[in-house]
Amino acid sequence: NAGVTQTPKFQVLKTGQSMTLQCAQDMNHEYMSWYRQDPGMGLRLIHYSVGAGITDQGEVPNGYNVSRSTTEDFPLRLLSAAPSQTSVYFCASSNRERLNTEAFFGQGTRLTVV
Amino acid sequence: DAKTTQPPSMDCAEGRAANLPCNHSTISGNEYVYWYRQIHSQGPQYIIHGLKNNETNEMASLIITEDRKSSTLILPHATLRDTAVYYCIVRVAGKYGGSQGNLIFGKGTKLSVKP
Repeated sequence: NAGVTQTPKFQVLKTGQSMTLQCAQDMNHEYMSWYRQDPGMGLRLIHYSVGAGITDQGEVPNGYNVSRSTTEDFPLRLLSAAPSQTSVYFCASSNRERLNTEAFFGQGTRLTVV
Repeated sequence: DAKTTQPPSMDCAEGRAANLPCNHSTISGNEYVYWYRQIHSQGPQYIIHGLKNNETNEMASLIITEDRKSSTLILPHATLRDTAVYYCIVRVAGKYGGSQGNLIFGKGTKLSVKP
């Protein structure tokens, strides 16, 4: 039972490079989201999606793009990486329909931009 | 902004109960109290949630005051593996169409369980 899978686990980028952080879930969850976590801080919401074809911005969306073409996948794209985007990124999913909805998180992608 | 207030850190002796408080004085009638924890920078892990009644599961108990303005997460017999940052979050549960379903994290309480 894979749950939420994030790849890669670690990544080093140079300023200005682009990359895509992958997130996949096998629980048929409609709701998916991306968070970033900086040292000593809680998680901050970047973007979220309530279903395939629907995305919206969270608290800190600048510098990031998302798309949701399938229920399973929710990639996060950095178009031109900046040192301020050095962080740990977490993807989460949850069942939109259930009343008692808990979120499942991936193990994170640790990104360093130099 | 997060709608909850938690102490930044707490200590607990191994084998004793850990009682983690949370204030949520502006909670709405349709908002639930959720608790998550994050062990050593892993992805957050769901613990428990409740609306107004006390709740218990295999991990913890959740005590919510009658006025719902505060709650306490209880780990009945803390172990070293319970050392983590604990987050108290309030949000609407159930079917949702937009931002009301989002989890808004504060800084949480860093619980240190000591031998």
